[in-house]
Order: sequence, then C-alpha cells, then structure tokens
Amino acid sequence: DSGVTQTPKHLITATGQRVTLRCSPRSGDLSVYWYQQSLDQGLQFLIQYYNGEERAKGNILERFSAQQFPDLHSELNLSSLELGDSALYFCASSVAPRQGLSGANVLTFGAGSRLTVL
Amino acid sequence: GESVGLHLPTLSVQEGDNSIINCAYSNSASDYFIWYKQESGKGPQFIIDIRSNMDKRQGQRVTVLLNKTVKHLSLQIAATQPGDSAVYFCAENRSAGGTSYGKLTFGQGTILTVHP
Repeated sequence: DSGVTQTPKHLITATGQRVTLRCSPRSGDLSVYWYQQSLDQGLQFLIQYYNGEERAKGNILERFSAQQFPDLHSELNLSSLELGDSALYFCASSVAPRQGLSGANVLTFGAGSRLTVL
Repeated sequence: GESVGLHLPTLSVQEGDNSIINCAYSNSASDYFIWYKQESGKGPQFIIDIRSNMDKRQGQRVTVLLNKTVKHLSLQIAATQPGDSAVYFCAENRSAGGTSYGKLTFGQGTILTVHP
C-alpha cells in the first residue's frame, strides 16, 4: 500500500457520460498529480495541484477538470466521455510541488482507477 | 483512425543475471531523472533518482547512470530476481526558470522478464 488511495478501482460507463475519480494523497503530502496511462500514449501528465491551487497543466482535455479540496483530497472529473478516454488514471502525491529537491519529494502513485468507456 | 498500442522494448534475463535497462531523453534542460517500476495491476513505484549534476548513483542492487552528452540514462539491476519482473519507466523533470512545478515526463517503458 503506497498510502495514496484512489476510488473507484474500476469503472465502466457509456460514451457521453460523466465520471468523477477521487484521490486521497499520502498523509503529509500537499501536492497531487493526475496521470493518464493508455496503451497508445503511455503515461501522460494531466494536471498538478499544490495545497489547493493548480500548479501545472499537461495534456489535459477541456472535457476534463480537476480540483483539490481543503482536506487535500483531489477529484478528476471526466465529461462527455469518448471511447478513447478508456485508460488507467493514476493519482500521485508528493510533499513539495517541485521534484528533485530531495528523495523525500518523489511522486508516490496510487493503484489507479481503470476507466472503460463503452 | 485505428490506434496502435505502444510496442515496448523487452528484456528477458535469467535469475541471478545483471540487467541493464536503457532510456533516451530528449530535453537537455531536464535536470532530474527518476526510474519507476510498475508491476501488473499496480501504480508506478519509485526505484531511484539522480540529478543532472551527478553521473552515477547507487541504491540497493540498483545503479543509475546518466550521460548528459548523449542524453542517455540507464538502470542497472544486480542479481536480478523474478520479483523484479515489471515494466520499468524512466522519467524526467524539466525545470522552467524559477517556476516550481512537479511535472514528470515518462518514457514509454521497458518490459523486464526474469526467468527462474
């Protein structure tokens, strides 16, 4: 158990629907990251939050949005779902917003949420 | 059009052998590199990291080598065990001036299979 909790573990839904993925970071971590892992694109960075504020944005579609709440948990909202959105969505957390400062700031990943869009 | 899955490089070794997994990165501005291991059904797990002011770093049974001249990173695993079987990813962090952010860019991964 990495300490990063993601729910749900599996989700099957239909095209056009909307889903919310939830992440609780490791205790003490202030920064949360969302990554998408698909067969054809690999691990792609979506977005990062630090202490409730958006810090960095990657290849996140406009149909997707995220937020980090005062208790530091985060949610990733995926709307108008398409077949191509089927993927593993990982949440990761770290103590600080910037990597490389020390070994303590590496990203710790959750087990992921597998989304299947039919 | 039809999407094609990534064709990950594969490395197959015998238990007890040493393994070397390679990774090329593209951005000379990257200043921090990490190796992650991903087992089936799990999220990536941190193995070892290295900063760009170093060319070698050792951990327990693992060594990371960084060659900035050719933008190449390698992970050496000593006395490879069946439990080391997984997909291994290198990742890089690209600093952007004084802005602090934690985006990691991951490589496509290498599948390591260790035979008993």
